[in-house]
Amino acid sequence: ILNVEQSPQSLHVQEGDSTNFTCSFPSSNFYALHWYRWETAKSPEALFVMTLNGDEKKKGRISATLNTKEGYSYLYIKGSQPEDSATYLCAFYNAGNNRKLIWGLGTSLAVNP
Amino acid sequence: DGGITQSPKYLFRKEGQNVTLSCEQNLNHDAMYWYRQDPGQGLRLIYYSQIVNDFQKGDIAEGYSVSREKKESFPLTVTSAQKNPTAFYLCASSRRNSGNTIYFGEGSWLTVV
Repeated sequence: ILNVEQSPQSLHVQEGDSTNFTCSFPSSNFYALHWYRWETAKSPEALFVMTLNGDEKKKGRISATLNTKEGYSYLYIKGSQPEDSATYLCAFYNAGNNRKLIWGLGTSLAVNP
Repeated sequence: DGGITQSPKYLFRKEGQNVTLSCEQNLNHDAMYWYRQDPGQGLRLIYYSQIVNDFQKGDIAEGYSVSREKKESFPLTVTSAQKNPTAFYLCASSRRNSGNTIYFGEGSWLTVV
């Protein structure tokens, strides 16, 4: 059974704190790992699509790392701002015969001003 | 602006009635998807289409139907056979398959009364 797990489930931080979340996924048949940000009342928005082991990507204050051999990815937010408050979703795309995108439940981040 | 448009945003349906949710994209994407979200669950795939006039069942296709007569349009019909249709529905598209970045609409809330 292919499963994607995200932790923590929710997180409250103060403005200016740095934070990170984890996405765990199967370490076999890896093709791609996606990160999305989903703000309330808006569409989920793509942050990163990562394909290479050891890859690191950055978008402003947000960065992500990928370890396909051990099956995890970290998302980091440096100096959290209230506008970073959202649910952060990861999704694993497998390379097997039955290719599918499997979503985690997300990490809900609340940044207090 | 390029993007995905879903309509209606909110819809109430009486039990026993079919209802169709509209999804249009002007991104020239080949692949389109319908997801359902329920509280405490990750996004679950209902149907997807990788090319015009072709579509495949996702994980929870029972009680739903789709068509892909045009590249830009992928409507979802929730039939009376769907036992628990009250949910939030998201339409999405990508360039070719789920290994590429997924772009989402803003979603449709369906309530059965």
